[in-house]
Amino acid sequence: QKEVEQDPGPLSVPEGAIVSLNCTYSNSAFQYFMWYRQYSRKGPELLMYTYSSGNKEDGRFTAQVDKSSKYISLFIRDSQPSDSATYLCAMRTYTGGFKTIFGAGTRLFVKA
Amino acid sequence: IAGITQAPTSQILAAGRRMTLRCTQDMRHNAMYWYRQDLGLGLRLIHYSNTAGTTGKGEVPDGYSVSRANTDDFPLTLASAVPSQTSVYFCASSDTGHYGYTFGSGTRLTVV
Repeated sequence: QKEVEQDPGPLSVPEGAIVSLNCTYSNSAFQYFMWYRQYSRKGPELLMYTYSSGNKEDGRFTAQVDKSSKYISLFIRDSQPSDSATYLCAMRTYTGGFKTIFGAGTRLFVKA
Repeated sequence: IAGITQAPTSQILAAGRRMTLRCTQDMRHNAMYWYRQDLGLGLRLIHYSNTAGTTGKGEVPDGYSVSRANTDDFPLTLASAVPSQTSVYFCASSDTGHYGYTFGSGTRLTVV
């Protein structure tokens, strides 16, 4: 079993829809949770990061962490065609050294 | 423009040849990383360096070596390339106390 599971999609939505992207994980030691956006033929770019459980909002993006369920989500409101990309979740722990694990990514298409 | 520069952008390499992928950052970040990204497997850590003069092995280090002579440069060498090393390689960096990474644009390597 992978430490981090992420549905690869693709996920296709109409412009203006609310998008929900999710990851589950098995290692309860993960403390920091991140979302990256990766456009085609580009490197990932950090979108949001959170520490521990709860919600964090940044413009149209909301990151949610539920440590009791080992489940994290990224919500995109009023989705735009420019949001079409692959979204990777990432989780980090410090147990005998920093360790970051990435999900495989979910491809999102927002149709105009 | 501050960030990470990777070279070459893409390369076709004959099996058995030696190749060095270059990575330079201008952000003075302490930590640097090399990842490979393969479809369905996500980003996997090859080698890392927490500070100049030190390096460590990641999840998939076999067949690769790195050096960190100074803060800015972190080259990745394939001593004798094999087809299974066909992948997209990303260099990344992070600052002390910051959990997100800055990624380069990647090197697309095909070993034939």
